[in-house]
Amino acid sequence: NAGVTQTPKFQVLKTGQSMTLQCAQDMNHEYMSWYRQDPGMGLRLIHYSVGAGITDQGEVPNGYNVSRSTTEDFPLRLLSAAPSQTSVYFCASSYVLAGSSYNEQFFGPGTRLTVL
Amino acid sequence: AQTVTQSQPEMSVQEAETVTLSCTYDTSENNYYLFWYKQPPSRQMILVIRQEAYKQQNATENRFSVNFQKAAKSFSLKISDSQLGDTAMYFCAFMSYNTDKLIFGTGTRLQVFP
Repeated sequence: NAGVTQTPKFQVLKTGQSMTLQCAQDMNHEYMSWYRQDPGMGLRLIHYSVGAGITDQGEVPNGYNVSRSTTEDFPLRLLSAAPSQTSVYFCASSYVLAGSSYNEQFFGPGTRLTVL
Repeated sequence: AQTVTQSQPEMSVQEAETVTLSCTYDTSENNYYLFWYKQPPSRQMILVIRQEAYKQQNATENRFSVNFQKAAKSFSLKISDSQLGDTAMYFCAFMSYNTDKLIFGTGTRLQVFP
C-alpha cells in the first residue's frame, strides 16, 4: 500500500494562477479531507468528503473547490491563487468516522505552496 | 463550536527525562475522541495516541500516556524516557462522535536535548 499520496511536493504560483493539488489513497477509505497548516494556526479543515459524489465545507473553504468522482481521488482546486493561500496543504483519509472504531486519519506528506 | 487550546508554544526536555504537554478543549458534547499527533521535521503527521471520552482509563502507548480529565476538559500528553527522535511539533485534536471533522490545537514544539 502506498497509503496517501500527494502531488506535487512543492509549488510556486503567481497571483491569479490556477492549479490542482492531487491526493490519492489506496486503502479504500470513504472519508477524505484537506487541511492547510499555517505557522501558529495548527491544521484547519478546508473541505472534506464522506464518499464518492459527496463533499462538504470545512472551516476555511473560501478560494478552494473540491470534487470526489472516485473513492481513491480527492483533488483540491485553487481557481485564482492569492498570497493568503501560501501554506502547507495536507490530505488525509480514513474509514468513515463518527462513532466508528476505525477512525484514525492517515495523512499524506503535504504540499508546500507559495503564491507570489 | 469546539475549540482546542495548547498553551505551550515551545517546550524542551533533556534526553531520558519526562515531559508533559498540555491541552484543553471546549465542547458541549458528551461523546468524542481526543488525539495527539506528532509532526517531525519531515512534516509527516503521525498519530501518537487516542482517547475515547467514554473510557475512564487513560490511554497508554509505550512511552506515551495521557491524563484525561473529562470534567476539566483537559487532555495532557506525558512522554517518559524522552528520546532525541521525539523532537517534533505535537498537536492535540478533538473529534465529535457526530461529525467527521478533526479540530486541531495550534501545536507545541518539543525539543529534546542530549
